[in-house]
Amino acid sequence: GNSVTQMEGPVTLSEEAFLTINCTYTATGYPSLFWYVQYPGEGLQLLLKATKADDKGSNKGFEATYRKETTSFHLEKGSVQVSDSAVYFCALVRYGGSQGNLIFGKGTKLSVKP
Amino acid sequence: ETGVTQSPTHLIKTRGQQVTLRCSSQSGHNTVSWYQQALGQGPQFIFQYYREEENGRGNFPPRFSGLQFPNYSSELNVNALELDDSALYLCASSSGLAGGPSYNEQFFGPGTRLTVL
Repeated sequence: GNSVTQMEGPVTLSEEAFLTINCTYTATGYPSLFWYVQYPGEGLQLLLKATKADDKGSNKGFEATYRKETTSFHLEKGSVQVSDSAVYFCALVRYGGSQGNLIFGKGTKLSVKP
Repeated sequence: ETGVTQSPTHLIKTRGQQVTLRCSSQSGHNTVSWYQQALGQGPQFIFQYYREEENGRGNFPPRFSGLQFPNYSSELNVNALELDDSALYLCASSSGLAGGPSYNEQFFGPGTRLTVL
């Protein structure tokens, strides 16, 4: 079946450090891939997406590249800020019928210290 | 433009009771999906409603049911509550089927925190 595996957290970084959160997926066909962010007390917000192999999604300094050969979609940011502290979810969607809904990883909590 | 809203924010029930959660979709959206997020886990898809009919369901028992109204708002009903039903319930709306031929972004509400004692 379809699934997403993320690196376990929590991840604690100092401000301006480099961030990588690993994500790999298992899916038949050609899924689209997403990173969602959940700030404390809020719902999920789409951070970035990629819909086909070699696409790079980017937003707010975050980037992730859809790597079909390694079935990965790792999230990176060159210099994190305290305001980036949140839980990050990798997700995929396959189109078609009842399978066309988001499948999430377990989430990775990021804490950024000043 | 009003985003997705959910009510109530928090709810405490006892085992065996029934609960109804409500969701108002974003303006212009005709599709609502419900997800269950247990503590420390990612959201799990419960079901999706499109134009007042269920269109797709995840691995949840029949005691999880829903409705969508003509204004595209939605309810999630859970009967015979169990302790494991304690979770954050998220509603997401989109302007078309999430499983359609092209991507329709889902916009999430803040969720309802359900505690079953």
